[in-house]
Amino acid sequence: GEDVEQSLFLSVREGDSSVINCTYTDSSSTYLYWYKQEPGAGLQLLTYIFSNMDMKQDQRLTVLLNKKDKHLSLRIADTQTGDSAIYFCAETAKRGGATNKLIFGTGTLLAVQP
Amino acid sequence: NAGVMQNPRHLVRRRGQEARLRCSPMKGHSHVYWYRQLPEEGLKFMVYLQKENIIDESGMPKERFSAEFPKEGPSILRIQQVVRGDSAAYFCASSPLFGPPDTEAFFGQGTRLTVV
Repeated sequence: GEDVEQSLFLSVREGDSSVINCTYTDSSSTYLYWYKQEPGAGLQLLTYIFSNMDMKQDQRLTVLLNKKDKHLSLRIADTQTGDSAIYFCAETAKRGGATNKLIFGTGTLLAVQP
Repeated sequence: NAGVMQNPRHLVRRRGQEARLRCSPMKGHSHVYWYRQLPEEGLKFMVYLQKENIIDESGMPKERFSAEFPKEGPSILRIQQVVRGDSAAYFCASSPLFGPPDTEAFFGQGTRLTVV
């Protein structure tokens, strides 16, 4: 089935690291994504990871993938107030009708305290 | 190159009216996806279109909802006889080829529909 779950809320202090977690159910997913949504805005792709990778690092962002547990995490180092937003994980669905539609989690609201 | 343009940004409709949401993809993009975000939920896939073709409408409600992407002009998501439960943010994304994962899908800022 298609189900992507995230915790709803995370609060951190500026300068600390943030870790946002996500679990998914579809073991056939080939790519997993992290998107950022600021208030009143669309979604911005932050990073993605291919399912045969365990880790991907991109500047302050580190993505960890545990395929056995179907667990994905996003670590933001040195979190800034500008990182406050809703973060969505998403997987691709390559089954049924079209390829490449995204299945989104419910989103995690990251609040960064100065 | 402007990004994905959606209009209107905000739309208020009374119950029973029709809502038309427009999406102009990025220049050179021929693939369009529509997603709906209900309050405090994630985005749910609705429909995937290429120029003049509906490729996957597995996420579209069976009644009242339709989508098109004509050869010329924007993609249109139409909701007939709107009900309160249609109130949501509707996002459009476009990509040049098959879309994720092969290429990034770029999202518009969304249309926030409120049914009163």
